[in-house]
Amino acid sequence: NAGVTQTPKFQVLKTGQSMTLQCAQDMNHNSMYWYRQDPGMGLRLIYYSASEGTTDKGEVPNGYNVSRLNKREFSLRLESAAPSQTSVYFCASSEFFEEGATDTQYFGPGTRLTVL
Amino acid sequence: AQSVTQPDIHITVSEGASLELRCNYSYGATPYLFWYVQSPGQGLQLLLKYFSGDTLVQGIKGFEAEFKRSQSSFNLRKPSVHWSDAAEYFCAVAPYSSASKIIFGSGTRLSIRP
Repeated sequence: NAGVTQTPKFQVLKTGQSMTLQCAQDMNHNSMYWYRQDPGMGLRLIYYSASEGTTDKGEVPNGYNVSRLNKREFSLRLESAAPSQTSVYFCASSEFFEEGATDTQYFGPGTRLTVL
Repeated sequence: AQSVTQPDIHITVSEGASLELRCNYSYGATPYLFWYVQSPGQGLQLLLKYFSGDTLVQGIKGFEAEFKRSQSSFNLRKPSVHWSDAAEYFCAVAPYSSASKIIFGSGTRLSIRP
């Protein structure tokens, strides 16, 4: 049981390049999330997927797209990377998501992305 | 709008000493409250959470936190820290209505003095 896994661990891009960050969970969780972590700012939600087949914007979605490929996998795509997207990206999952309840989120180890 | 404040950016304590990390939140109703720990180069690990009931919550690794509604606080405590507790600690709050609205504090970095 690996929990939440993310690939790659590190990535350096040039401005304008594209890339996809991969996330997978083996806990049979319904909900998955993408966050970015910047110094002094805590974690900010980029996108989330309440269940397979649905995605919604979080606090900072601009410049990103997501795909919930199946129940296990949730990818984050940067179509045209910018230096402002230099950050550490975390994927998380939770058993469920529903209005009126909050479930514990479990986090992956993160991807450190640098955009030059 | 809801917010979370961790007023201490960096704290250093001696090994074996007690620890208290402060967290204050701003929210109209009783929120869900969490403490996460992040070791260097690692993801976040849940230490404990408060949803309802007993206001003193026990977590993993000997940590506990107390919810004080009157002070809008959820401070994390440990009676005796170990060198392995050196990490960054994040307080988080979520409203009753939506997990997607979890807001994280900016974190407190804990260093342990031998």
